[in-house]
Amino acid sequence: DAGVIQSPRHEVTEMGQEVTLRCKPISGHDYLFWYRQTMMRGLELLIYFNNNVPIDDSGMPEDRFSAKMPNASFSTLKIQPSEPRDSAVYFCASSLTVLAYEQYFGPGTRLTVT
Amino acid sequence: TQLLEQSPQFLSIQEGENLTVYCNSSSVFSSLQWYRQEPGEGPVLLVTVVTGGEVKKLKRLTFQFGDARKDSSLHITAAQPGDTGLYLCAGDQDQGGKLIFGQGTELSVKP
Repeated sequence: DAGVIQSPRHEVTEMGQEVTLRCKPISGHDYLFWYRQTMMRGLELLIYFNNNVPIDDSGMPEDRFSAKMPNASFSTLKIQPSEPRDSAVYFCASSLTVLAYEQYFGPGTRLTVT
Repeated sequence: TQLLEQSPQFLSIQEGENLTVYCNSSSVFSSLQWYRQEPGEGPVLLVTVVTGGEVKKLKRLTFQFGDARKDSSLHITAAQPGDTGLYLCAGDQDQGGKLIFGQGTELSVKP
């Protein structure tokens, strides 16, 4: 079975540019989570969806970040405009149930903003 | 302020040694999980503990949830180089889907 799929795996962009990260959750999973991982702050939850509806976006750092889930098999995290401090590894995870301990993580997208 | 404090942050040991990693909080969690993450990959769930005082074993790994459900420990017996990686604890306070992660323990097991 395919796990969570993320693309691209690596992204290098210049400050001010728009960045779009993509995620395909495991088929049949109703919950989708976006995380950011940095050395300084560790792994932080940005936003999560249930049945394509955003449930909690309190972790989204600022208005430059937005996330959408147009259907059950696809989600995007967009940063516009990007800044050097956005450099991090962004993970997508999905879960079958409401219970948080069923999350399966993708391989991540390493974003570098110069 | 980190809600979940992990210690130690870094651990370098020789193959065959035993080790314990701790995850502590002043808050109560409905469940607590341990993940292992290798470079270039996402975290992989090792175990979930949900009952205060619960002990779970996974081969050479023993996980314990504190009686008050505020802390947990991971003990590895006879560590092997394949155990090398970042170990993360994560807590769920309300079964609502939000996981709070600790900063992680970077383990290096040398042959």
